[in-house]
Amino acid sequence: NAGVTQTPKFQVLKTGQSMTLQCAQDMNHNSMYWYRQDPGMGLRLIYYSASEGTTDKGEVPNGYNVSRLNKREFSLRLESAAPSQTSVYFCASSLPGQGVRDTQYFGPGTRLTVL
Amino acid sequence: RKEVEQDPGPFNVPEGATVAFNCTYSNSASQSFFWYRQDCRKEPKLLMSVYSSGNEDGRFTAQLNRASQYISLLIRDSKLSDSATYLCVVNRDSWGKLQFGAGTQVVVTP
Repeated sequence: NAGVTQTPKFQVLKTGQSMTLQCAQDMNHNSMYWYRQDPGMGLRLIYYSASEGTTDKGEVPNGYNVSRLNKREFSLRLESAAPSQTSVYFCASSLPGQGVRDTQYFGPGTRLTVL
Repeated sequence: RKEVEQDPGPFNVPEGATVAFNCTYSNSASQSFFWYRQDCRKEPKLLMSVYSSGNEDGRFTAQLNRASQYISLLIRDSKLSDSATYLCVVNRDSWGKLQFGAGTQVVVTP
């Protein structure tokens, strides 16, 4: 099992450009999440998908959109990148049916710089 | 006030020594508590869940104090490989969404 995979690993954008971050998991998890991590702030939830076909906003959704393409894949799109979106982006997925004790498994992250 | 607060450290620990640190959380309705470990420029990985009665996993001991709303992590017989940032994590709601602290850095020195 590959677990949670993310592409690309690194990306540099210019202000105003768009891009999509891809995430896939092969653990048959129902729930998937997108976080961003900035120095000194911990991980902050951008969007999550409790199950295939549903998505909801997290703490910091502005400037982002998501698509839960199928059970395996959850993508994050930046329509018009801004320097404030420079960050490390992590995708995660969690075990189905375990309730509040779900363990989240993380992908290796995408390091995004917006100039 | 942050929902989950941690001392950022670094905690510089001689190899073989014991180190302990806490985190505080603000949501008294939180039900699940975890410690995650994050190595430099890597993804977070679950270290251990924290149970009400406290629990051990090898050299790691976690405690929960609901009355004072803090959890703790103690590492005994520290190894060089324990050098990492330890993230305190608390669930935000019954749907499994999590709140992460900013992390406590531990540096184990020879």
